[in-house]
Amino acid sequence: EPEVTQTPSHQVTQMGQEVILRCVPISNHLYFYWYRQILGQKVEFLVSFYNNEISEKSEIFDDQFSVERPDGSNFTLKIRSTKLEDSAMYFCASGAGISSYEQYFGPGTRLTVT
Amino acid sequence: GENVEQHPSTLSVQEGDSAVIKCTYSDSASNYFPWYKQELGKRPQLIIDIRSNVGEKKDQRIAVTLNKTAKHFSLHITETQPEDSAVYFCAASPNTNAGKSTFGDGTTLTVKP
Repeated sequence: EPEVTQTPSHQVTQMGQEVILRCVPISNHLYFYWYRQILGQKVEFLVSFYNNEISEKSEIFDDQFSVERPDGSNFTLKIRSTKLEDSAMYFCASGAGISSYEQYFGPGTRLTVT
Repeated sequence: GENVEQHPSTLSVQEGDSAVIKCTYSDSASNYFPWYKQELGKRPQLIIDIRSNVGEKKDQRIAVTLNKTAKHFSLHITETQPEDSAVYFCAASPNTNAGKSTFGDGTTLTVKP
């Protein structure tokens, strides 16, 4: 069964550095999402992406964040200048659309900002 | 914006008993209500979902009910097993694939053998 994949599984970075988190959605899916989960807390929506543009974003997704689908398979989340409070698990998800609202989550990237 | 409240935050049951988790939402524009199971250190996995045009949906031991008038929906797990132990999240989304999903705070379910 196809799955969403994410790399790396764990990223450690210093405050102020840029990070890029990578995701490969399920191949025929049309909708892509990033979520964040701070340890022990709930899942928080960051952004949705469709037809090569952002559809919706939350208040968390400020100017420090950007998303890109550089080719037909990858979907990336960039944080320009990381802060300590960006430390969290970041989940990518994808959805087929076409009468289905189901979202399939990747395994996540644990980002640790020191 | 949407606000989703989930109760209880922790729930402990004996194996074989039923478990019920309840969520309320605030935005009447929300029309899609998924439930996710998250085991420790793993990804959230969709276990069941319901759309606003349906009042109840069942899949084996799991069922979800929705009261759109009262803006609340519930997850029911019958004949619980130890492997049902996990954190369960409810969520509410507008009737569009691109819309923002708002999650509840989660319920830690422990099923004692």
